[in-house]
Amino acid sequence: QLQLQESGPGLVKPSETLSLTCAVSSGSIRSNNHYWAWLRQTPGKGLEWIASTYYTGSTYYSPSLQSRITVSVDTSKNQFSLTLTSVTAADTAFYYCARGLRVVVSRGPKNTWFDTWGHGTLVTVSS
Amino acid sequence: AIQLTQSPSSLSASVGDSVTITCRASQGVTSDLAWYQQRPGKRPELLIYEASSVASGVPSRFSGSGSGTDFTLTIHSLQPEDFATYYCQHFNSFPLTFGGGTKVEIK
Repeated sequence: QLQLQESGPGLVKPSETLSLTCAVSSGSIRSNNHYWAWLRQTPGKGLEWIASTYYTGSTYYSPSLQSRITVSVDTSKNQFSLTLTSVTAADTAFYYCARGLRVVVSRGPKNTWFDTWGHGTLVTVSS
Repeated sequence: AIQLTQSPSSLSASVGDSVTITCRASQGVTSDLAWYQQRPGKRPELLIYEASSVASGVPSRFSGSGSGTDFTLTIHSLQPEDFATYYCQHFNSFPLTFGGGTKVEIK
């Protein structure tokens, strides 16, 4: 069964860059039928989708974060990554990676529901 | 962005009760809606996709319905392991968004 594992520092200083990696195991990131996504969860704002990427490198970003985020895929390592620049306390959250089902419809490919999630990693922004 | 409003935000129920949670979208999303369960300290888990399809391994006491802007998640005969927080999510367009959650607590 496919597994996802987030990794990265648990503490980041304000104004610095947060970098996380999601390792995909028991399955290939080179799937025609799936997207790979980052999400986060805070007590105040609930669950928030950050970005999705396909193994070819195409990406979709949340409008509220797109000026600060980059998502990339490394098919040789079967993993994908998130960088978030200029972090503030508001970026303190549990960060999850997840697999989403990719469906091709008349208007193009579509990211749908998330059928597999990582366990999540807590990132705290503090000096 | 499409906003999803869940109600109630919390409810208390007893084992064996049936409960219904609603999710209202700010604009029509056809059947592009999923439901997740999140137990305390755990990751979200998929329950329902495409508004009414039950995910693999999910007990049959969970059901979903609705289309357009109004959706419901019903849990028949609550079990102890069902006390959790439930979220809806639309996938009609980017950005994908989630409802604020409904916490189901033990009465």
